[in-house]
Amino acid sequence: GNSVTQMEGPVTLSEEAFLTINCTYTATGYPSLFWYVQYPGEGLQLLLKATKADDKGSNKGFEATYRKETTSFHLEKGSVQVSDSAVYFCALSSGGSYIPTFGRGTSLIVHP
Amino acid sequence: NAGVTQTPKFQVLKTGQSMTLQCAQDMNHEYMSWYRQDPGMGLRLIHYSVGAGITDQGEVPNGYNVSRSTTEDFPLRLLSAAPSQTSVYFCASRRGNEQFFGPGTRLTVL
Repeated sequence: GNSVTQMEGPVTLSEEAFLTINCTYTATGYPSLFWYVQYPGEGLQLLLKATKADDKGSNKGFEATYRKETTSFHLEKGSVQVSDSAVYFCALSSGGSYIPTFGRGTSLIVHP
Repeated sequence: NAGVTQTPKFQVLKTGQSMTLQCAQDMNHEYMSWYRQDPGMGLRLIHYSVGAGITDQGEVPNGYNVSRSTTEDFPLRLLSAAPSQTSVYFCASRRGNEQFFGPGTRLTVL
């Protein structure tokens, strides 16, 4: 079956530091890959996505590249801000399945 | 568009009480789902629906019922609340392979 594995948090960084949150997956077929972000007290919202190998998704300074050879979709940002403090979820959607698979989430805390 | 809306935002129940968590979307999405979010457990799927009149169980359906009489509404019923159902509940709808989440209902069962 499908699965998504994320690095455990919390990840604690100082403002302007470089961020990497690792995500690897197993899936049948050719999944689409996603990063969702959950700000405190809110629901999840789509941050970025990639639908095929070597695609790069990007939004709000965040990037992730779909690496089929390493089955990975790591999230990166060059310079984090306090406002980036949130929980980040990696997810995949495979084939015709209605049911996406989510990772357990990684909490990011950014200090001034 | 209001997107996905959920009511109430907060609820406290006593063990054995029943209640309904409301969810509505105005985007005409066929697929809707309910998740619970617990610390260290991520999101777990409770029930989902692929259209009006069609529902199915997810990973953790026990103690919950759903119905889908219209495209817009997808209520979640707790039949007899238990402390293990203390959680944050999210409703979501889907367009293509993108999920749209509501703001959540924080439920405490005493």
